[in-house]
Formats: sequence, structure tokens, C-alpha cells
Amino acid sequence: QKEVEQDPGPLSVPEGAIVSLNCTYSNSAFQYFMWYRQYSRKGPELLMYTYSSGNKEDGRFTAQVDKSSKYISLFIRDSQPSDSATYLCAMSPIMFSGGYNKLIFGAGTRLAVHP
Amino acid sequence: GAVVSQHPSRVICKSGTSVKIECRSLDFQATTMFWYRQFPKKSLMLMATSNEGSKATYEQGVEKDKFLINHASLTLSTLTVTSAHPEDSSFYICSATGQGFDQPQHFGDGTRLSIL
Repeated sequence: QKEVEQDPGPLSVPEGAIVSLNCTYSNSAFQYFMWYRQYSRKGPELLMYTYSSGNKEDGRFTAQVDKSSKYISLFIRDSQPSDSATYLCAMSPIMFSGGYNKLIFGAGTRLAVHP
Repeated sequence: GAVVSQHPSRVICKSGTSVKIECRSLDFQATTMFWYRQFPKKSLMLMATSNEGSKATYEQGVEKDKFLINHASLTLSTLTVTSAHPEDSSFYICSATGQGFDQPQHFGDGTRLSIL
């Protein structure tokens, strides 16, 4: 079993739709959760970064973390064609001893928003 | 803020050539930098982690002598692919994180390496 599971899609939605992207994980040590957006031939761009369970909103994006279920989501409201990209969830444990945050990535979900 | 610049964006060279890729944090001090490799339609695969002034820590299966990493300053890390061969052709991406265990990674735009 992979540490982080993410449906690779592709997911195709019409413009204006609400998009729901999800990841599940198995390691309860994960405490930091991130969503990255990656356009073709570009590096990942940090969209959302959360620590606690609950919701975090930024514009049209809402990140949701449910630690009890080991489940995280990213919602995109009023989706636009420019949102067409691959969305990667990533997570890391807490490093108390001055170490680094090694990220564990999901496989990435390819999203296509058509006009 | 948190801009990471990676150069060059595209390299095409002959087999046997050594290629150097630079990763710079433009507006923050990067205590830790990471190097990833990404195959088409696949997720990122961590190759190594480097802390400023220290030797890099390589992931299992990554050849240290093939992929030389230097992190000489708080804003610059380099990856050198030595004696590159066609199987080294890939998309290489760096990321950087600032001081503190709760700092997220910020990524460069990647380097597409093609070895003929």
C-alpha cells in the first residue's frame, strides 16, 4: 500500500463547475499537508498549506483536512480553463530535531476544465 | 515571495557530456534544497536533499557519483549530471525551503534534459 493515494484521473469538468480533488494517507505521523498545481513542463506551484484539521480557504480554493479519517481534499469553485493542470497532494511529518520536511507526494490528478 | 529560479530550462547534449543545473532561491535563504526527477505523467521522485555547507543526502538507488550536488550558499544549489547517457534524460526539478521545520517547499520550473 502506498503511503499516499491519489486518483490520477483524468478529471474533465465544464467551466464553472466545483472540482473536488482528494488524497488518502496511511501514516498518522503526517502533520503538514500541501496542494501543488503543476502545469505541463513547469515546476509545481504551492497552492495551499495546512497543518491542522479543518478548512482553509484562499480565493476559489478550499483545502480540507480530516486527520481522523486520514483524508484531505482540495475544492476549486467556479473552475476556469486556466485551472487545467495536474494537482499534487503532498504531506510530511513533523521534524523536531532541526531536520528537513521530506515530502511524500500523491500521484497527481490531471484536471481538464473545458469551456 | 518565495521564488525559486532554475537554470537552464532546457538542455540537449551528446552522450558522455556533463551537465550542470543551477537552483537559486531569489528572495529567501534556503537552508535546505531538494532535487527531484520526474518522468512523463508521473509524480516527483526525490533524488537527494542538501543542506547549506553539508554533504547531500541521497535517496536509495540514486548514484552519488553520477548526480553530484553542491549547496555552497544559502541561495544556490547545483546538480551536475556526470557523463550523461540517454537514460538520464528526464525532467529535473529543484525545491527550496527556509529555516524552520514548518516551512513548505517552493519549486523551480524544472530543467528538461535530453541526452542524444
